[in-house]
Amino acid sequence: AQTVTQSQPEMSVQEAETVTLSCTYDTSESNYYLFWYKQPPSRQMILVIRQEAYKQQNATENRFSVNFQKAAKSFSLKISDSQLGDTAMYFCAFMISNAGGTSYGKLTFGQGTILTVHP
Amino acid sequence: DVKVTQSSRYLVKRTGEKVFLECVQDMDHENMFWYRQDPGLGLRLIYFSYDVKMKEKGDIPEGYSVSREKKERFSLILESASTNQTSMYLCASTPLGEGLTYNEQFFGPGTRLTVL
Repeated sequence: AQTVTQSQPEMSVQEAETVTLSCTYDTSESNYYLFWYKQPPSRQMILVIRQEAYKQQNATENRFSVNFQKAAKSFSLKISDSQLGDTAMYFCAFMISNAGGTSYGKLTFGQGTILTVHP
Repeated sequence: DVKVTQSSRYLVKRTGEKVFLECVQDMDHENMFWYRQDPGLGLRLIYFSYDVKMKEKGDIPEGYSVSREKKERFSLILESASTNQTSMYLCASTPLGEGLTYNEQFFGPGTRLTVL
């Protein structure tokens, strides 16, 4: 079984500054994906960024980037130039790769981190 | 535009009532999921379905059942609602994957259920 741990229940940052959210995971699988999802007050889950475990290069999406440390099973999210619209709950999530069609795309989530961006 | 809809945003029910939460997707996805979201626990998988009439238990299936009679619709059923089932319920769908292909999971807006 897979587990995902987010040890920071809440974080805050000033607008335009940088913040890093932490995530660790545990698995015996070798092929998997890691994700960060954002859930704003509207409750709609939005995919922020994903990382394929077989790729050594860290994923980036505009102001969002990850630090993927496979050996340490760590997957942190860095938000640069924070904006008020980044205020949300952020979830780290894990998915086994669909080899053989057995994973069905199931996600295992961490506990979530509430991020507040202050003006 | 991809769309997953849930029948209610907010629902209030009484202990012992039978509750149906409906989820519909318009993307012809094979896989559908029901998650429960609680503070400090994140999202936990209740049940999922990989085809019509097919279902598999997730991590916390106790007290719940599901129905998938049509590909686009996946229902979560609380046979006899209890107060500890007060929670946010999220539905999601994703297409059938092949090999190591990644397929994004699309979420509905959630139903906040209160059981009194």
